[in-house]
Amino acid sequence: DGGITQSPKYLFRKEGQNVTLSCEQNLNHDAMYWYRQDPGQGLRLIYYSQIVNDFQKGDIAEGYSVSREKKESFPLTVTSAQKNPTAFYLCASTVAGRPEKLFFGSGTQLSVL
Amino acid sequence: DQQVKQNSPSLSVQEGRISILNCDYTNSMFDYFLWYKKYPAEGPTFLISISSIKDKNEDGRFTVFLNKSAKHLSLHIVPSQPGDSAVYFCAALYGGSNYKLTFGKGTLLTVNP
Repeated sequence: DGGITQSPKYLFRKEGQNVTLSCEQNLNHDAMYWYRQDPGQGLRLIYYSQIVNDFQKGDIAEGYSVSREKKESFPLTVTSAQKNPTAFYLCASTVAGRPEKLFFGSGTQLSVL
Repeated sequence: DQQVKQNSPSLSVQEGRISILNCDYTNSMFDYFLWYKKYPAEGPTFLISISSIKDKNEDGRFTVFLNKSAKHLSLHIVPSQPGDSAVYFCAALYGGSNYKLTFGKGTLLTVNP
């Protein structure tokens, strides 16, 4: 079955540590996105990529980094520069030009120890 | 500046009655609107969408209405079912935004048996 897989489901970060969240899709989608959800808040865009080896900053990119070396994969690194990393992180993908086809993964809950 | 606003954090309705979820937007460039449904600790799933050239779109129990002059849209669920209990997000985009969605903060719908 096609879909988006995010791992791990839960992740804990120590002070000063970088952590990487995985996102893999087998939907053959060109575009991939990372969103952050805080309690009582909407989804805010961190980074997005329309094509392999290219990505753009979203609204809240500071303290995060991404790579897009393969079409299927779009990992997100939460660096030590992100001072408030505790949130629910969602990866999504879609066919270019078809926003109604945006598929989300099941999310990763990141917490700070 | 919040461009998509869902002013009701929560809504409670009886099973079988109508649920009406509201959404307002400020950016007149938005030309496509979507509703997503989200259960706790899961990714959102697409529910229904509407283009700005229409004022109504219907899919089974779900109908979305768009009032461009008021910059307002609403989602009607009739009849409401307990399984509809979830957080509903309104989202918007415009063609020049690289298909980046702007989300509202969501409304928690509770349908009581």
